[in-house]
Amino acid sequence: GQNIDQPTEMTATEGAIVQINCTYQTSGFNGLFWYQQHAGEAPTFLSYNVLDGLEEKGRFSSFLSRSKGYSYLLLKELQMKDSASYLCAVRGRRGSYIPTFGRGTSLIVHP
Amino acid sequence: NAGVTQTPKFQVLKTGQSMTLQCAQDMNHEYMSWYRQDPGMGLRLIHYSVGAGITDQGEVPNGYNVSRSTTEDFPLRLLSAAPSQTSVYFCASSPTTQETQYFGPGTRLLVL
Repeated sequence: GQNIDQPTEMTATEGAIVQINCTYQTSGFNGLFWYQQHAGEAPTFLSYNVLDGLEEKGRFSSFLSRSKGYSYLLLKELQMKDSASYLCAVRGRRGSYIPTFGRGTSLIVHP
Repeated sequence: NAGVTQTPKFQVLKTGQSMTLQCAQDMNHEYMSWYRQDPGMGLRLIHYSVGAGITDQGEVPNGYNVSRSTTEDFPLRLLSAAPSQTSVYFCASSPTTQETQYFGPGTRLLVL
């Protein structure tokens, strides 16, 4: 089976940096996704990691260590609009490779 | 492109009623899936399809049926609604298994 853990909630200050961690245990590994979901809206894609290392996209970066079953999403220069849930999703090797989602981390950015 | 569309946006049902949640995509994606999202539970996979005529069960399939007669459409049927099916339902599609999924806006369902 697959087990994915993320913190339930985090708070941070506007302009700061925050790191959201995700640990996973899966039957095989075929990629890790991060999605952003604002309240009442659909999830939207942020990043995808399949190899170890850091992927940077503007203010957002995502890191993966396959040997440790660990990823993090790094958000820099936080803005109020970054208040949202951040979903970690892992794709194993079973079946059709549809990813399994963690429970999400609710990030609250305050002034 | 409209992307992934879902109807209705909101629905209230009584226990025992049946209904179909519609999902359509105009991106010619092969892979489509249905998730439900409950507070504190994240997104859980109900059913998925890897192409027209092919469907399979996800993590929480009981009480739901699907069919995929065309590439574009992937309806989700609730056979006999129960209060435990009160949730937000998201449909998603992707061109292949190696790429990200695109989500529809969701259907909010309340079963009384």
